[in-house]
Amino acid sequence: AQSVTQPDIHITVSEGASLELRCNYSYGATPYLFWYVQSPGQGLQLLLKYFSGDTLVQGIKGFEAEFKRSQSSFNLRKPSVHWSDAAEYFCAVTGGSYIPTFGRGTSLIVHP
Amino acid sequence: GAGVSQSPSNKVTEKGKDVELRCDPISGHTALYWYRQSLGQGLEFLIYFQGNSAPDKSGLPSDRFSAERTGGSVSTLTIQRTQQEDSAVYLCATMTPGTGSYEQYFGPGTRLTVT
Repeated sequence: AQSVTQPDIHITVSEGASLELRCNYSYGATPYLFWYVQSPGQGLQLLLKYFSGDTLVQGIKGFEAEFKRSQSSFNLRKPSVHWSDAAEYFCAVTGGSYIPTFGRGTSLIVHP
Repeated sequence: GAGVSQSPSNKVTEKGKDVELRCDPISGHTALYWYRQSLGQGLEFLIYFQGNSAPDKSGLPSDRFSAERTGGSVSTLTIQRTQQEDSAVYLCATMTPGTGSYEQYFGPGTRLTVT
């Protein structure tokens, strides 16, 4: 069975500060990993994904994530947060099934 | 191009009434998903349609929930005899399997409130 844990329900950062959102997954083989963002009142949008190859993946809006097999993690990072990044962030995993498992989400609050 | 659309955007209903939620997928996307998003609970998978195959209904929480997809396009999620615990945002997503992408495209959701 596949599962995802996002240990932080809320994260608060100041605008311009760096950001790291944590994601831990459980899956027996090499997973497919995703980060989605959900702005208020909208659906989810894909930020980036990892399937194989380079463990550091770049996404849209200046985000990146690093796959660490030894830690079963896929943390999302951004070097300098903008106020418009305030949103809900979801990590998801699949082992090749077309039905991914999503984490509970992390709400990002950005202070001016 | 047009994305996934859902209607209505908001629905308030009385306990015990039936509701229908609609999803219009991106043209050509053969896979369609329904999810339920409750406050602080993340996304709960409900049902998955792929082409002409039998849908995967493993996530439907009770027999009050059903969904259909007509002609491989529009989908309707029906909740019968609504209960207050059904209050949530219902999200639809579509995808094209077999392309190697696995990216899901989400609609804006329908916020259901059962009073």
